[in-house]
Amino acid sequence: EIVMTQSPDTLSVSPRERVTLSCRAGQSVSNNLAWYQQKPGQVPRLLLFGASSRATGVPVRFSGSGSGTDFTLTINNLQSEDFAVYFCQQYNAWPYTFGQGTNLEI
Amino acid sequence: QVQLVQSGAEVKKPGASVRVSCKASGYRFTSYYIHWIRQARGQGLEWMGIIDPSGPTTVYAQRFQDRVTMTMDTSTGTVYMDLRSLRSDDTAIYYCVRWLTAVTQTGFDTWGQGTLVTVSS
Repeated sequence: EIVMTQSPDTLSVSPRERVTLSCRAGQSVSNNLAWYQQKPGQVPRLLLFGASSRATGVPVRFSGSGSGTDFTLTINNLQSEDFAVYFCQQYNAWPYTFGQGTNLEI
Repeated sequence: QVQLVQSGAEVKKPGASVRVSCKASGYRFTSYYIHWIRQARGQGLEWMGIIDPSGPTTVYAQRFQDRVTMTMDTSTGTVYMDLRSLRSDDTAIYYCVRWLTAVTQTGFDTWGQGTLVTVSS
C-alpha cells in the first residue's frame, strides 16, 4: 500500500498567519490527492481534491499544490475556525490511504 | 439532502462480532461507492474497504481481509459492515462514507455520523 506521511505532526500558529502543511507519498500518486479537515467531535470535511481544486464551499484562503509524491496545503490568513486536524489522502491506488494528520493549534 | 445514517453504538466482548448499518438517502443508491473507514480515539483514519452497490463488488484492506464482510440491501438503500473476531484494538468510531467522482468534485463528500464500537471484557 502507499504510505502517506504528513509533516509536522503538530503546528502551533496564530490567527492571521499563513501556514503550509506537507504530505509525502511513498510512491507517485499523480495528482490524485485530497485534503480533509477534522474538528473535534466532527466528521472530516473534504477541502481539496486533485491536489489543488477546492471542494464546494471551501474558502479561497485554502490552496493546494504538488504532484507525484510531494504535496502542500497552504492556509492564508488563518481564522479561528481553521484550528483543526488536517489529513491528506491518496486515491490513486487501492487501498486508499491517509496521512497520520497534522494538528493545527494555537 | 444526501445523508448517510448509521446504527447506534455497540459494546462487544473480545472474540465477538459486530454489524454496523448505514442507510443512504437523498441520492441514487447504486450510483456511488460506499467506503468504510475507522478512527480510533485521538488517532488517524484507517480505510477498511469499499462496496460498489451497483455490483455488488467489494474490495477489502488486506489487514481486514479475513475478518470483514460488506454487504448491502438495495431495496432499503442500506449497506452493512460485519467485523468478526473483535479485539480491544478494534475499539474505534466506524464511518461509512460516500465516494464522489465528478468533474466539479472528487473525494469523500458525505460521511455517516459514525458508530462507536467498544470492545471490552
